[in-house]
Amino acid sequence: SQTIHQWPATLVQPVGSPLSLECTVEGTSNPNLYWYRQAAGRGLQLLFYSVGIGQISSEVPQNLSASRPQDRQFILSSKKLLLSDSGFYLCAWKVRGGIYEQYFGPGTRLTVT
Amino acid sequence: AQSVTQLGSHVSVSEGALVLLRCNYSSSVPPYLFWYVQYPNQGLQLLLKYTTGATLVKGINGFEAEFKKSETSFHLTKPSAHMSDAAEYFCAVSAYNTDKLIFGTGTRLQVFP
Repeated sequence: SQTIHQWPATLVQPVGSPLSLECTVEGTSNPNLYWYRQAAGRGLQLLFYSVGIGQISSEVPQNLSASRPQDRQFILSSKKLLLSDSGFYLCAWKVRGGIYEQYFGPGTRLTVT
Repeated sequence: AQSVTQLGSHVSVSEGALVLLRCNYSSSVPPYLFWYVQYPNQGLQLLLKYTTGATLVKGINGFEAEFKKSETSFHLTKPSAHMSDAAEYFCAVSAYNTDKLIFGTGTRLQVFP
């Protein structure tokens, strides 16, 4: 069966520090991968998605970036965090092609202080 | 463009009462519709989905939803609420000709004893 992992589970970082969040998927190949953010009291915001290695689409211009160095690995990064980057970050995957549901990871709670 | 509207950001019911969470969508093409549940500090879990075929869809945990094209609705129901149903619920529509989901803003369900 398929499994999606995210780490770390929680993270407290000072403003201006770098960020690296990792997401990996097991049990499937060639998935679409997604990064979402939930700010406090708000819905889901799609940040990036990828349909293949090295292929990244950005939905919201900001100081975050994403990379997909391997088929089942998706990384969210920032060179300098802002207070507004605080939130709950969710990674998701879906079967490539067709209309299929997305499956979500457990999330990373990021607090920027 | 496709969109999803969830009426009521908060819904409160007594244990054993009917749960009704509303979702209306806008789509110029036949939509694929999803309901997800999110428990505190966890990722989203798929409750049920409508793609084609039977318009009454049954999901996990006793939930079901009915696709009504004439009303552009996909409301989520459960005959008898349980304390463990307290969570946030998201309705989503699959965006036409893309690999993305469009989410509603969510409805927080509270269940009182």
